[in-house]
Amino acid sequence: DVKVTQSSRYLVKRTGEKVFLECVQDMDHENMFWYRQDPGLGLRLIYFSYDVKMKEKGDIPEGYSVSREKKERFSLILESASTNQTSMYLCASSSNPRISGNTIYFGEGSWLTVV
Amino acid sequence: DAKTTQPNSMESNEEEPVHLPCNHSTISGTDYIHWYRQLPSQGPEYVIHGLTSNVNNRMASLAIAEDRKSSTLILHRATLRDAAVYYCILRGLTGNTPLVFGKGTRLSVIA
Repeated sequence: DVKVTQSSRYLVKRTGEKVFLECVQDMDHENMFWYRQDPGLGLRLIYFSYDVKMKEKGDIPEGYSVSREKKERFSLILESASTNQTSMYLCASSSNPRISGNTIYFGEGSWLTVV
Repeated sequence: DAKTTQPNSMESNEEEPVHLPCNHSTISGTDYIHWYRQLPSQGPEYVIHGLTSNVNNRMASLAIAEDRKSSTLILHRATLRDAAVYYCILRGLTGNTPLVFGKGTRLSVIA
């Protein structure tokens, strides 16, 4: 089975802290994604990556950055955490998105609280 | 990606079939229809997808209208574990667009 593993399930951080959310997939997928999910707003795309060292902005990239140094790992970075970044963060991966039949696999989510 | 429309919520009795509708009147000829579901406190999981023909797998069936402007996800016997938010998503054949999620249908299953 495909596995997308997010390093932390629950985190509490202070305002202004730098926060790293790590994601690892074990299926040699080219593509990885970071979403956040908030009540009433659904899933919103933050950043995605189609290859090592490549990144593309999603719908809400402000306040976030990403790093993809290795194919299997995609990190989301909150440079200076703020309370409005309290949310559930979801990492996902898939093989070539140009092949529309391909499935996207999600991790279990990381619940971040910024106090 | 074209837009989809789903009811906000539906309710079903346990062990009865459930038909979850999705309208996608602006679908293009190369759009695949994907269904995902999200159980409470978990990430979304793939359920099924199709292009033109009806599809079956161990989780569900997907019935696609002849004009492809609508589709129905069928759970043959709902269980309490099927209570989730179900998302219907169109995915084009070209371009690098990730999945775009709408609000989905919240399915409640009553024992």
